[in-house]
Amino acid sequence: DAKTTQPPSMDCAEGRAANLPCNHSTISGNEYVYWYRQIHSQGPQYIIHGLKNNETNEMASLIITEDRKSSTLILPHATLRDTAVYYCIVRVLREGAQKLVFGQGTRLTINP
Amino acid sequence: NAGVMQNPRHLVRRRGQEARLRCSPVKGHSHVYWYRQLPEEGLKFMVYLQKENIIDESGMPKERFSAEFPKEGPSILRIQQVVRGDSAAYFCASSPQQRNTGELFFGEGSRLTVL
Repeated sequence: DAKTTQPPSMDCAEGRAANLPCNHSTISGNEYVYWYRQIHSQGPQYIIHGLKNNETNEMASLIITEDRKSSTLILPHATLRDTAVYYCIVRVLREGAQKLVFGQGTRLTINP
Repeated sequence: NAGVMQNPRHLVRRRGQEARLRCSPVKGHSHVYWYRQLPEEGLKFMVYLQKENIIDESGMPKERFSAEFPKEGPSILRIQQVVRGDSAAYFCASSPQQRNTGELFFGEGSRLTVL
């Protein structure tokens, strides 16, 4: 699975949009981009995933560049509860063998 | 629907004792994954199991650690002769058999403290 690069930390004001970047320049054509987050001491939580089209759900939006070498997770109206470590992971989607390999992620702090 | 259930949530053991951590996957899920998170560190994959089979144990320490996922009952992560360095949060995740979104569903973790 391709490796990803994320900034170690970011700050965002409450109520503003939080934009978390991720570089995955070695991504293959069949690898998806996944985002998870881990709020302090809790289990990781799935946020969103995509292949090449932009995706949106009730939690966030995922913007993938046309060349797929980078992506941005957008939390449109960040709240204090969004303070967490955010992980960008790229991997193939296939039957079985679906383990996730977590990097260091971005520690996002939402400030009041 | 119940999510992934892990127990105990907190476990204290003395050096040399055994620790057993249990994980009940989401109902209908046949794949289980165990991860370890040392204090102030990231999540490290340990082992991936399907019912009665270990599929990938590339992240498991070679000694003292074992995992099983029997036909009936929860998955068990067993740590024999625990040492202080085993103190960590152990997270279990599950996913269904068929190809799906690729999402893993995580439990809240079991926190092991070795005195």
